[in-house]
Amino acid sequence: AQKVTQAQTEISVVEKEDVTLDCVYETRDTTYYLFWYKQPPSGELVFLIRRNSFDEQNEISGRYSWNFQKSTSSFNFTITASQVVDSAVYFCALSEAGETSYDKVIFGPGTSLSVIP
Amino acid sequence: NAGVMQNPRHLVRRRGQEARLRCSPMKGHSHVYWYRQLPEEGLKFMVYLQKENIIDESGMPKERFSAEFPKEGPSILRIQQVVRGDSAAYFCASSPSQGISGNTIYFGEGSWLTVV
Repeated sequence: AQKVTQAQTEISVVEKEDVTLDCVYETRDTTYYLFWYKQPPSGELVFLIRRNSFDEQNEISGRYSWNFQKSTSSFNFTITASQVVDSAVYFCALSEAGETSYDKVIFGPGTSLSVIP
Repeated sequence: NAGVMQNPRHLVRRRGQEARLRCSPMKGHSHVYWYRQLPEEGLKFMVYLQKENIIDESGMPKERFSAEFPKEGPSILRIQQVVRGDSAAYFCASSPSQGISGNTIYFGEGSWLTVV
């Protein structure tokens, strides 16, 4: 069965600090997809990144970077030089290819990030 | 937010009433997913639909909840005889899946149901 764990429930950092949000996943599939979504206080869900299980290259997008480690089943998310606008709940999610032909995405419980000015 | 339209954004219902939440997928998407987010919790999968078909409803409560995605018009999530525990944010998502998995699903802005 698939499962996503985000052990950090809440994190507070001071503006300009770097912060890493942890994500550990469980799956029996060899082909799977990992995602991060952001939910700001306004409530909508914003897609940040999608990574497939065959691509272990780390990715950087501006102040955001993602570290995918299959050996430890982790897909961690780092925000460099955090800003107040980064304050949000961040969800890590997993979708298995499996036998389905659709995208049933399972979410972790989320990490609430507060960036203090 | 990627064009998935949900309405209403906020809905207040008294216990025992019915709630209907609507979702229009992104243009070109024919696959719709409904998720529920209870207060202080993550998102839980409820149901996956294609046009006129329910494919996976493993996350739907057994009673009072139903979903449809007709040939014409939006997908509807219906909750009958609402109770306070139904108060939550309901998110709709769509994807362009055409027999494959691994697509990114894009979410609407959510519908917040409050049962009083």
